Amino acid sequence: AQTVTQSQPEMSVQEAETVTLSCTYDTSESDYYLFWYKQPPSRQMILVIRQEAYKQQNATENRFSVNFQKAAKSFSLKISDSQLGDAAMYFCAYRSASGSEKLVFGKGTKLTVNP
Amino acid sequence: GAGVSQSPSNKVTEKGKDVELRCDPISGHTALYWYRQSLGQGLEFLIYFQGNSAPDKSGLPSDRFSAERTGGSVSTLTIQRTQQEDSAVYLCASSYGPGADEKLFFGSGTQLSVL
Repeated sequence: AQTVTQSQPEMSVQEAETVTLSCTYDTSESDYYLFWYKQPPSRQMILVIRQEAYKQQNATENRFSVNFQKAAKSFSLKISDSQLGDAAMYFCAYRSASGSEKLVFGKGTKLTVNP
Repeated sequence: GAGVSQSPSNKVTEKGKDVELRCDPISGHTALYWYRQSLGQGLEFLIYFQGNSAPDKSGLPSDRFSAERTGGSVSTLTIQRTQQEDSAVYLCASSYGPGADEKLFFGSGTQLSVL
């Protein structure tokens, strides 16, 4: 079974600075998808960024980018120019490409942004 | 509706009682998912619907848990004889169809507290 590990329960960053959230995963599959989700206090999960494992190029969405290291099974999220609205729980998730519809989530990292 | 709607937002019940949690997906979304988020944990997959059928119910933790979906729209998650360990946030998500290319839209969840 696949597992996702987020080793940083909490992180903090100064406004306008850059922060990196770590995620590692374990799988025997070669084709899969990885995601970062943001969960604000409203509890509604919001997709931040998505990466297909067969793509070597790291995904980027505005201030959010990933460092995908397939051999190391690592998938970190970099937030540049941090804003107060970035404060939230961030979850890393894995999804198989072989037909299973379920997402496997890590336990999350709580990000605090200091003004 | 404009987004995935879940009701009630919060539910407090006594141990041993039955509860029903409702999810109203975005109109036109054929895929619907239930996840559970226990305190300090990531999301745990419960069940996936495609239309009114549930091809994957592998995450339901016991036979006290059941779910149905009618008219390809509203879904109800029922927990019978609730236990304190059932206390969690229950999140629903929907998408246009199955597959990792389809973006998931999450509701704000139901916070269930079993006393």
